[in-house]
Amino acid sequence: QKEVEQNSGPLSVPEGAIASLNCTYSDRGSQSFFWYRQYSGKSPELIMFIYSNGDKEDGRFTAQLNKASQYVSLLIRDSQPSDSATYLCAVRTPRGSARQLTFGSGTQLTVLP
Amino acid sequence: SAVISQKPSRDICQRGTSLTIQCQVDSQVTMMFWYRQQPGQSLTLIATANQGSEATYESGFVIDKFPISRPNLTFSTLTVSNMSPEDSSIYLCSGGWGNTGELFFGEGSRLTVL
Repeated sequence: QKEVEQNSGPLSVPEGAIASLNCTYSDRGSQSFFWYRQYSGKSPELIMFIYSNGDKEDGRFTAQLNKASQYVSLLIRDSQPSDSATYLCAVRTPRGSARQLTFGSGTQLTVLP
Repeated sequence: SAVISQKPSRDICQRGTSLTIQCQVDSQVTMMFWYRQQPGQSLTLIATANQGSEATYESGFVIDKFPISRPNLTFSTLTVSNMSPEDSSIYLCSGGWGNTGELFFGEGSRLTVL
């Protein structure tokens, strides 16, 4: 089992819709969770992080964490074509250094105009 | 956030040669890491760059192939040694600090080995 799993997609949504990106992790001791956006040919850009169970909202983005289910998601409301990118879920696990992140394989999102 | 600069941004190299990638951070970070992203894939951690001491390598990566230096808190280098076409990849420097655990990435160095 991979440490961090994501649906590879591609996921297509129409402009203005809600895009839902999902991620599961295997290490129950994982402490913090991050979502990165990566445009083609660019480096990953941090969008959000979440530590506690529940929802965390930042503008059009909402991160949701359920530690009991070992599940983290990212919702993008009012999706725009500029949101088209690969979204990477990253998890900080207890092993290794305090800042070490393990990344999922990413979900490719396309927002159709 | 931090500004993390890498150079070269891209290079084309011959098999058997070595290339050193430089990473400069605009503020003192607690941790620096080197990741590899092969075409169409996610990020794989190569090693943690430790200031003034040997880097900590992940399984599958060794110092002879990927020597790393970090002489101070804001600068690190990664060398890809004795390159083969399988080393063609994007190499990403990242840095983080504080208690929140966020990592920020440089622009990446796209390496093509012929």
